[in-house]
Amino acid sequence: KAGVTQTPRYLIKTRGQQVTLSCSPISGHRSVSWYQQTPGQGLQFLFEYFSETQRNKGNFPGRFSGRQFSNSRSEMNVSTLELGDSALYLCASSYGRNTEAFFGQGTRLTVV
Amino acid sequence: QKEVEQNSGPLSVPEGAIASLNCTYSDRGSQSFFWYRQYSGKSPELIMFIYSNGDKEDGRFTAQLNKASQYVSLLIRDSQPSDSATYLCAAQSGRGSQGNLIFGKGTKLSVKP
Repeated sequence: KAGVTQTPRYLIKTRGQQVTLSCSPISGHRSVSWYQQTPGQGLQFLFEYFSETQRNKGNFPGRFSGRQFSNSRSEMNVSTLELGDSALYLCASSYGRNTEAFFGQGTRLTVV
Repeated sequence: QKEVEQNSGPLSVPEGAIASLNCTYSDRGSQSFFWYRQYSGKSPELIMFIYSNGDKEDGRFTAQLNKASQYVSLLIRDSQPSDSATYLCAAQSGRGSQGNLIFGKGTKLSVKP
């Protein structure tokens, strides 16, 4: 069974640009959550999608957005990139609420 | 503010010893708790989860939960150098739509041969 797949693995962007990251969950999983990981703040929750609906949102500015498609694949978008957005972005999928979440390999975003 | 607190370490133990990792959480509504292991440069890997008070064992790993004290721990028996990693504790509320995980900042474990 394939795991959670995130693309791309690495990205370098310039301040002010926007970026779109993709996540394909484990087959059969309907919940996708996104997290930002930085050395200083650790793993911080961005948002959670279930059956194409955003179910929960973390404390991030509106520049961070996401969506989920009917096949459960999810994308997150960051507009007007700032240097502080440099981080490892992780996607986790789970079957449903209160079930184990499995992480993808992450997308390492560097903003220069 | 829902928080999960962990000692950042590093926690150093000799090979073959028991490593004890601890975690406290602030939200009494948290119902599920997870331990992830993260090697440097890699993504978190789920080790164990626990929902009920008491102990749960899986191989060399034992998770312990005490909801009254809002305390979760992970014991690693017969520690191996390959266990050297950062261990992340996470709590999940489970109430309403709050299914996301709140993570601690992790404890770095070093197992010395």
